[in-house]
Amino acid sequence: DSGVTQTPKHLITATGQRVTLRCSPRSGDLSVYWYQQSLDQGLQFLIQYYNGEERAKGNILERFSAQQFPDLHSELNLSSLELGDSALYFCASSVGSGTYGYTFGSGTRLTVV
Amino acid sequence: EDQVTQSPEALRLQEGESSSLNCSYTVSGLRGLFWYRQDPGKGPEFLFTLYSAGEEKEKERLKATLTKKESFLHITAPKPEDSATYLCAVQAKRNVAGANNLFFGTGTRLTVIP
Repeated sequence: DSGVTQTPKHLITATGQRVTLRCSPRSGDLSVYWYQQSLDQGLQFLIQYYNGEERAKGNILERFSAQQFPDLHSELNLSSLELGDSALYFCASSVGSGTYGYTFGSGTRLTVV
Repeated sequence: EDQVTQSPEALRLQEGESSSLNCSYTVSGLRGLFWYRQDPGKGPEFLFTLYSAGEEKEKERLKATLTKKESFLHITAPKPEDSATYLCAVQAKRNVAGANNLFFGTGTRLTVIP
């Protein structure tokens, strides 16, 4: 157990639907990062939050949004889902700049049918 | 734009056969270079962070080194349990305080045969 909790572990949904992925960071970590991992593209950075504020944005689609709540947990919302959104979605957390590495959760596997 | 290229894409080794994995990077101001190990269907597991050229770090059979353009992950006398995908990532210096995201390469898939 890495200390970063992601739910659900698996999600199957239909095209056009909306889903919410949840992440609880490791105790004491203020930063949360979301990554998408598909077979052909590796780990793609989506977005980072630090203590409730957005700090960095990667190639996140407009259909996707995220937020970090006062208790530091984070949610990634994916809407108008397409087949190509099927992937593993990872959350990672770090304390500050991540000098000692980023701790990843075990991921949510999203399948869009 | 940040770029990380890992080679080879896949590597098969006999148990005990040492080798090296390469990570070439281009980044506008390197803050840190990270190595992770990822097992199938699991999240990446942190191995090392390197900050400056010439730095080396070791952990069991793994040793990571860094130059100004690339990093190597040396695996000495590997065992079957070292089979995994090894990911390299860079963290760039950013103007926005607290922006610390990592940019990952696509990884090297290592298989160690008994």
